Amino acid sequence: DTEVTQTPKHLVMGMTNKKSLKCEQHMGHRAMYWYKQKAKKPPELMFVYSYEKLSINESVPSRFSPECPNSSLLNLHLHALQPEDSALYLCASSLRLAGSYEQYFGPGTRLTVT
Amino acid sequence: AQKITQTQPGMFVQEKEAVTLDCTYDTSDPSYGLFWYKQPSSGEMIFLIYQGSYDQQNATEGRYSLNFQKARKSANLVISASQLGDSAMYFCAMRGIIQGAQKLVFGQGTRLTINP
Repeated sequence: DTEVTQTPKHLVMGMTNKKSLKCEQHMGHRAMYWYKQKAKKPPELMFVYSYEKLSINESVPSRFSPECPNSSLLNLHLHALQPEDSALYLCASSLRLAGSYEQYFGPGTRLTVT
Repeated sequence: AQKITQTQPGMFVQEKEAVTLDCTYDTSDPSYGLFWYKQPSSGEMIFLIYQGSYDQQNATEGRYSLNFQKARKSANLVISASQLGDSAMYFCAMRGIIQGAQKLVFGQGTRLTINP
């Protein structure tokens, strides 16, 4: 099973809403990632978790709050977002953070902030 | 600083022809990894092929092969016998140490269109 799942597939939220994105993998991977991708651009790294601990925060605004409750699950909590936060949010996982292990990506959540 | 450059914003190829997607990179790190990903319009990033900086042989995976020229700092993706389903965005990426942490840096991508 080389699958990373993400829910929901699409999300429309207002600027005052609170919502969460969910990512799950059952491959035994211990590194998990959140990326943001704008249209026609490459993915930009947001956060990295290694063994359920936050390893990298790419200076992401606090209106994005990641959480890794266990080794299979990664959440991204959203609050008071701006229209410019509309994008495709991709979750990925790899066996470990260190070493050149390929990252497996989920299908993404297309977020629209109105 | 680590950098990936893909100079072809778009490419159009006839079905069944071979296609080469260009990728050059810049790094001062002696140890690094190069990846190619395919992103269809559905959005999912699909891992295609990997090349390590110390690998002696060029990587191959089915119809995909990586033309790794270390001295020229290039890692071009070759797709043989292209198919309509190969139409997608293709990203070259490099894994290396950036500001003390392992990260994946992506190029701007090449949109490949296969014509019947």
